Amino acid sequence: GNSVTQMEGPVTLSEEAFLTINCTYTATGYPSLFWYVQYPGEGLQLLLKATKADDKGSNKGFEATYRKETTSFHLEKGSVQVSDSAVYFCALTRYNNNDMRFGAGTRLTVKP
Amino acid sequence: KAGVTQTPRYLIKTRGQQVTLSCSPISGHRSVSWYQQTPGQGLQFLFEYFSETQRNKGNFPGRFSGRQFSNSRSEMNVSTLELGDSALYLCASTPLGRASTGELFFGEGSRLTVL
Repeated sequence: GNSVTQMEGPVTLSEEAFLTINCTYTATGYPSLFWYVQYPGEGLQLLLKATKADDKGSNKGFEATYRKETTSFHLEKGSVQVSDSAVYFCALTRYNNNDMRFGAGTRLTVKP
Repeated sequence: KAGVTQTPRYLIKTRGQQVTLSCSPISGHRSVSWYQQTPGQGLQFLFEYFSETQRNKGNFPGRFSGRQFSNSRSEMNVSTLELGDSALYLCASTPLGRASTGELFFGEGSRLTVL
């Protein structure tokens, strides 16, 4: 079935450090891929998305590229801030339905 | 534009009781889906409703049920509560059904504690 595997946390970085959170997926066909972020006490919100191979999603300095050959969608940011501290979820859907499959989540803490 | 609203935000129940959670989607959104979030299992899909019909269902026992009203508001019900049902229940809406972009708009969740 469709599933997402993302690197386990927690991840602790200093401000301005480079961030990578790995995400790989298993799916038939061509899923849409997403990164969602959950700040403390809040629901999830979309960070970025990519709907076809080689697409790059970007938002707020975060980027991820849909790599079909490696079935990956790694999240990167060149310089993290304390305000980026949150839990990050990689996710996929097929056929744009709302049965979204989420990874386990990676908790990021950024220290000043 | 108001976001997805879930009520209640927090509730405490005891084993064997039942609970009903409510979700008001963003105005104009016709699809509502529900997810259970726990530290051990992460985010798991419960079910999705579109135009008052359950269109998709996750792998949960029949104690978990839901419905959608003509105004797109949705409720989910859990009967005969078990300790393991303690979780954050998240509701998400999208504008359309299969024609949507795939983005889910989440509420802040209802945190259920079962004692």
